[in-house]
Amino acid sequence: DSGVTQTPKHLITATGQRVTLRCSPRSGDLSVYWYQQSLDQGLQFLIQYYNGEERAKGNILERFSAQQFPDLHSELNLSSLELGDSALYFCASSEDVIDSPLHFGNGTRLTVT
Amino acid sequence: DQQVKQNSPSLSVQEGRISILNCDYTNSMFDYFLWYKKYPAEGPTFLISISSIKDKNEDGRFTVFLNKSAKHLSLHIVPSQPGDSAVYFCAASAPTSGTYKYIFGTGTRLKVLA
Repeated sequence: DSGVTQTPKHLITATGQRVTLRCSPRSGDLSVYWYQQSLDQGLQFLIQYYNGEERAKGNILERFSAQQFPDLHSELNLSSLELGDSALYFCASSEDVIDSPLHFGNGTRLTVT
Repeated sequence: DQQVKQNSPSLSVQEGRISILNCDYTNSMFDYFLWYKKYPAEGPTFLISISSIKDKNEDGRFTVFLNKSAKHLSLHIVPSQPGDSAVYFCAASAPTSGTYKYIFGTGTRLKVLA
């Protein structure tokens, strides 16, 4: 158990809809990262938050947004969903110090129909 | 631009033999390298890492080697066990804008045959 919790495990929704994915980091970790994995592809970095503030952006679409709350949990919002957004979405947390690994949750599988 | 590459999508190895998984990177700013193992329906699990000041790090059956001049790292698993069958991702990290950026390869599916 990595200590990172993601909910829900599965989401099935229709095109055009909006969904929210939730992540609770490991106790003590201030940094949260979101990654997308599509169809056995690699892990594509979307966005990172540190202690409530956005720190880095990757290949995140404008239809997607995220935030980190004072209790350090994070939410990834996906709107105007398209079929191509179907993927596994992983959250990871870290201590954000030198030579610290990321610890991943078990992901949310999003299916857009 | 794929900064971290795993050129072998799959690898099959006999139980008890050595598994060698390879990873190449292009960005010389990367200074910390990691390997993750991923089972179906689970998130990637951190396995082992190495800092750029070292060229080898061992943890039980797992050893990671780093060749900075070749921008290459490898993961050796000895002896391989059927439970090692999983997808392995290498990742590289670089400090950037006050934080750390982690870039992942596309993964190598390892199958250990009993």
